[in-house]
Amino acid sequence: EADIYQTPRYLVIGTGKKITLECSQTMGHDKMYWYQQDPGMELHLIHYSYGVNSTEKGDLSSESTVSRIRTEHFPLTLESARPSHTSQYLCASSGPPRNEQFFGPGTRLTVL
Amino acid sequence: GQQLNQSPQSMFIQEGEDVSMNCTSSSIFNTWLWYKQDPGEGPVLLIALYKAGELTSNGRLTAQFGITRKDSFLNISASIPSDVGIYFCAGFGRSGGGADGLTFGKGTHLIIQP
Repeated sequence: EADIYQTPRYLVIGTGKKITLECSQTMGHDKMYWYQQDPGMELHLIHYSYGVNSTEKGDLSSESTVSRIRTEHFPLTLESARPSHTSQYLCASSGPPRNEQFFGPGTRLTVL
Repeated sequence: GQQLNQSPQSMFIQEGEDVSMNCTSSSIFNTWLWYKQDPGEGPVLLIALYKAGELTSNGRLTAQFGITRKDSFLNISASIPSDVGIYFCAGFGRSGGGADGLTFGKGTHLIIQP
């Protein structure tokens, strides 16, 4: 069982609000990822990190930003939420020896 | 962007039947992974494949990494109600570089009729 946590699990907010989605893992993994997923659809990589102070954009363009100040923590921030940001956001981490990615339970975001 | 072609999109089967689904890609991947996702949850890793031709089992699940490294299949034998969910294939470490995350198929929705 992977030890990766996301909060909040559900969030409903109004347009223009700033939000931060939290992700933490207790496995000591260097690599962490954020994916965006619309209901019943495939996941798309939006951000990833190879370690502290490392952040990269993924394949899918996103207006969100991320930071990696501590190994175990990889928060995602939206400065001004819009209805188009409504989606599920999934955090994952991976580490040696096999580098399989383990996912958190996700945050379902609804922007009104 | 890179896509994996996963089929079928959905399956309606009777409890006890065997299930087969597959993924193909135009690019080579170094690792193939199969995940299951329940509603409102994150994907859970079922099987990981690391070598071309590798055949791996996990209980009633069997998956294979294609020889060409461009495809994989997942079989579920004697399906039970808790097998219901969405199954995703994912490729990792593709040729041509790109982001280090997983490339996902569009998923196979498995529905089991008692």
